Amino acid sequence: AQSVTQPDIHITVSEGASLELRCNYSYGATPYLFWYVQSPGQGLQLLLKYFSGDTLVQGIKGFEAEFKRSQSSFNLRKPSVHWSDAAEYFCAVGARDSSYKLIFGSGTRLLVRP
Amino acid sequence: DAGVIQSPRHEVTEMGQEVTLRCKPISGHDYLFWYRQTMMRGLELLIYFNNNVPIDDSGMPEDRFSAKMPNASFSTLKIQPSEPRDSAVYFCASRSTGSGYTFGSGTRLTVV
Repeated sequence: AQSVTQPDIHITVSEGASLELRCNYSYGATPYLFWYVQSPGQGLQLLLKYFSGDTLVQGIKGFEAEFKRSQSSFNLRKPSVHWSDAAEYFCAVGARDSSYKLIFGSGTRLLVRP
Repeated sequence: DAGVIQSPRHEVTEMGQEVTLRCKPISGHDYLFWYRQTMMRGLELLIYFNNNVPIDDSGMPEDRFSAKMPNASFSTLKIQPSEPRDSAVYFCASRSTGSGYTFGSGTRLTVV
């Protein structure tokens, strides 16, 4: 069965500092992988996705993620965090059958110190 | 494109009442998903449709929950009777083969 683990419930970084949010998945094969961001009271916005090919994926808002098959990981990174990045971040695994139904991790809440 | 449209944005109802949440997917998308988000359980997939047909409803918590998709442009999630533990944000999402998912803004349901 698919599962996603985001080990960090909260992360606090200073504005301008680098960021890495961890995501580990369990799946029988290479899944589709996604990162979403959710601001308070808002819906989910897709940051980036990995389907195949280059394991380093670029997304919106300066985010990137690297798929590491050997570690079953898909960590999200940003070299310099802005105050507006404060939000909750969700990693998700998508089934490789025709549905692509998503299973989400529990989320990591990012706080940004001025 | 207006994206995935959910209504209402907020719903407050009394325990025992029927609640109907609505979703209009993006035109041309052939998959529609209903998710529920709570603090305790995070984002859970309730049910999804392909070409208006329910494919997997294993996430629907109880018989009190039902979902329909009478046509390609409309879906409903109904709770009857509602209970306080149903309070959550309910998201609808749609996609088509080869595209990513688009989520609606959600319906925040409060059952008192």
